[in-house]
Amino acid sequence: DADVTQTPRNRITKTGKRIMLECSQTKGHDRMYWYRQDPGLGLQLIYYSFDVKDINKGEISDGYSVSRQAQAKFSLSLESAIPNQTALYFCATSSSSNQPQHFGDGTRLSIL
Amino acid sequence: DQQVKQNSPSLSVQEGRISILNCDYTNSMFDYFLWYKKYPAEGPTFLISISSIKDKNEDGRFTVFLNKSAKHLSLHIVPSQPGDSAVYFCAAKGNTDKLIFGTGTRLQVFP
Repeated sequence: DADVTQTPRNRITKTGKRIMLECSQTKGHDRMYWYRQDPGLGLQLIYYSFDVKDINKGEISDGYSVSRQAQAKFSLSLESAIPNQTALYFCATSSSSNQPQHFGDGTRLSIL
Repeated sequence: DQQVKQNSPSLSVQEGRISILNCDYTNSMFDYFLWYKKYPAEGPTFLISISSIKDKNEDGRFTVFLNKSAKHLSLHIVPSQPGDSAVYFCAAKGNTDKLIFGTGTRLQVFP
C-alpha cells in the first residue's frame, strides 16, 4: 500500500463546481503539503500544515482552501473551480523541516 | 521571479555514460537542497539531498555537488541506466518549511 494516498486520481468537472481532493498518509508525519504542477513548470506550494491546528498559506493559495481533519488526513478544496485551476495536484508529507518530503501519485484535475 | 532554475529542459545520454543535471538558485538564504525524480503518472520520489555545510554528497551512483559561491548545484549519475530516464527536479529551502522547485529536466538514457 502507498504511504501517501490521493483520491481521486483523475477528475473532470465543470466551471463553478466545488471540488475536494483528499490525501491520507500512513507515515505518521506531522507535516502535510499541497502542491500544484502546471505543464513545463515546477511544483508550487498551495497550503501546508504542521499539525491539526496549524494551517499555512503557500505561494498560490487564492481560490483554494484546506482542512486538516486528522494527523493522517489533509484535504484540498476548490470552492468554485475555474479552468486555470486545471493542473496536476500533489500531496506530500514530511517528519520535520530538514527531512525530505514524500509525495503521493497525484490527482489530475481538468476543469471545463 | 524563478528562484530555482533548471535551464536545460531535456538531456539525452548514452547508457553507461555520466549524466549531469544542473540547477541554479538566486536566494542566498537557501541552505538545504534536494533532487527528486519523477516517472509519468507517479509522484516525485526523493533521490538525494545536501545541506549548505557540505559541498558534496554521494549515494551509490548519484552524487550531488554544491557550489555556494556560484549558487549552483548539480546531480551526477554514473553510470547512467535506462531506468534513470525520468524528469528530475531540484528543490531548495531556507529557514521556512517551503520547498521551491525548479522546472525540471527530462533525462533520457538510450542504449
